Amino acid sequence: DTAVSQTPKYLVTQMGNDKSIKCEQNLGHDTMYWYKQDSKKFLKIMFSYNNKELIINETVPNRFSPKSPDKAHLNLHINSLELGDSAVYFCASSPRTTLTANTEAFFGQGTRLTVV
Amino acid sequence: AQSVTQPDIHITVSEGASLELRCNYSYGATPYLFWYVQSPGQGLQLLLKYFSGDTLVQGIKGFEAEFKRSQSSFNLRKPSVHWSDAAEYFCAVGARDYGGATNKLIFGTGTLLAVQP
Repeated sequence: DTAVSQTPKYLVTQMGNDKSIKCEQNLGHDTMYWYKQDSKKFLKIMFSYNNKELIINETVPNRFSPKSPDKAHLNLHINSLELGDSAVYFCASSPRTTLTANTEAFFGQGTRLTVV
Repeated sequence: AQSVTQPDIHITVSEGASLELRCNYSYGATPYLFWYVQSPGQGLQLLLKYFSGDTLVQGIKGFEAEFKRSQSSFNLRKPSVHWSDAAEYFCAVGARDYGGATNKLIFGTGTLLAVQP
């Protein structure tokens, strides 16, 4: 079973559209994250949620809206897509908000978003 | 500001040769350090991490890393590389909030490893 799964794996869409990326984890973790990897492979955190509560919001445009219906799911909705939104988006989860010697973040396979 | 630098964008080694991937960090306190590997089309997999204690850390797949505070480095090593090690490798530091909790990762830009037969 996949621990952290994202759908879709690939997404090609036109500028101005609204799209969603879904993420589910079956690890029983309390905390989930969205990271963005740009064309230069630079990975940066966007959001983190702990048990459906927003913990981190890293100066992301408000066109990006995460939604956590329960602690096993963290979806990313993007409005009015722009060319610069093209990237690989990674979902991740960890047992709790704080990373310690005994915990780690588990990453999904990524969603490659291409805006044309 | 907290940051991670991986000076080598791309490295090619021969199968069976030793490997060292460099990572330097900038962090005010004792850092929590991580190495992740990203295989083509795959997510990020944790290879190893350093929180405290022994500065030589053993990880999965035969990898190890050494924390050197004086050099602000956390270089990844493997004595004998296998073709399946070809992948992108990311070093990361665990960034702490004002309460001292490590709640996010700051990544370097990655090193792409190619393995020649």
